[in-house]
Amino acid sequence: EAAVTQSPRSKVAVTGGKVTLSCHQTNNHDYMYWYRQDTGHGLRLIHYSYVADSTEKGDIPDGYKASRPSQENFSLILELASLSQTAVYFCASSDVGGVTLYFGAGTRLSVL
Amino acid sequence: GDSVTQTEGPVTLSEGTSLTVNCSYETKQYPTLFWYVQYPGEGPQLLFKVPKANEKGSNRGFEATYNKEATSFHLQKASVQESDSAVYYCALSDPNYGSSGNKLIFGIGTLLSVKP
Repeated sequence: EAAVTQSPRSKVAVTGGKVTLSCHQTNNHDYMYWYRQDTGHGLRLIHYSYVADSTEKGDIPDGYKASRPSQENFSLILELASLSQTAVYFCASSDVGGVTLYFGAGTRLSVL
Repeated sequence: GDSVTQTEGPVTLSEGTSLTVNCSYETKQYPTLFWYVQYPGEGPQLLFKVPKANEKGSNRGFEATYNKEATSFHLQKASVQESDSAVYYCALSDPNYGSSGNKLIFGIGTLLSVKP
């Protein structure tokens, strides 16, 4: 069974609207991450968290917020969605000191 | 900053032929190097990792050697199968990123299509 579950799997949003992507992990991992996948750019880190109630900026945080209310849950929030945020978003987790990331199946977001 | 450069795809091969996906990296640290594979409709998953220079990693017939002198980590397979069709990502870890967490820096990915 999947240890990192993302919801929804796909979403269509309107420009200027608010979008929340959710991630739930059962790996008992402390670290969680949000990556964005775009053709020609690979995977880029948006936000990450190493403990509940705390988040850190990754390489491309502009236009995104993150929330980690518990060890298991990590959300990515687009307050004002824009066309340029159309992409596939992946959540991942890793344990303390671990170097391997475990990814969810992704959320395909289309902003129209 | 740290970076990873890999073969741009797509790469199309016939079953039974050999594969090489080039990967080179830049970093001032001593990273662990990874190959991840992403099958259609799924998230990336670890193919294998190599934490030390001059060592080789392998899994499912794929292999790569951590060449610190050449800063390369090329992925090879002697005989590909149709089931190997996927996107392959080279990545490196930056253990000093922030004060915690393990940031991976990924290449752009190489789409491999294997025809029967």
